[in-house]
Amino acid sequence: EAAVTQSPRNKVAVTGGKVTLSCNQTNNHNNMYWYRQDTGHGLRLIHYSYGAGSTEKGDIPDGYKASRPSQENFSLILELATPSQTSVYFCASGTGGINQDTQYFGPGTRLLVL
Amino acid sequence: QQQVRQSPQSLTVWEGETAILNCSYEDSTFDYFPWYWQFPRESPALLIAIRPVSNKKEDGRFTIFFNKREKKLSLHITDSQPGDSATYFCAALNTNTGKLTFGDGTVLTVKP
Repeated sequence: EAAVTQSPRNKVAVTGGKVTLSCNQTNNHNNMYWYRQDTGHGLRLIHYSYGAGSTEKGDIPDGYKASRPSQENFSLILELATPSQTSVYFCASGTGGINQDTQYFGPGTRLLVL
Repeated sequence: QQQVRQSPQSLTVWEGETAILNCSYEDSTFDYFPWYWQFPRESPALLIAIRPVSNKKEDGRFTIFFNKREKKLSLHITDSQPGDSATYFCAALNTNTGKLTFGDGTVLTVKP
């Protein structure tokens, strides 16, 4: 069974503060992804990675950085958090490659920026 | 321009009826179409998926119908059950980039 974990599960941050969201996967998948989900919307891609050391911009990268130090770990960094970044953040992993299919999602992190 | 569109935004059916959820897409490079469902306060989970080589994919009460020429697909849920009540997301994957694009979802309510 795919296993993607996220920490913290809930976070309250202050405007202007730095926030780091962490994701770990034990699937040995090459690709990892960060999405945000806002009420009434689907998931929007922020950053993704093809493997350790690689990060790519998704559809809404402004205000976010990403780091992939290892196959297992992928972090999302908000250097200067703003209230507009209040959302639920999901990490996912996927096999990558020409036959890739399912992405497996973590449980999500609820972030509130005051 | 939204790449993946879903309709309706919300749908209510009675138990035992067939629910039909619609999806359309813009980008011809999409080559894998998963449907995810999501229950309140949970993460999305894969329900069923189809590749463009097929025009139909069945899994129990869930069937995807795919029209590549019109860039449309639909999810049919037969004999709907209250436990099917969830938000359903149509998504489209470009396997070259690995990017998965989601629609905004359809909230399905099945009344007993």
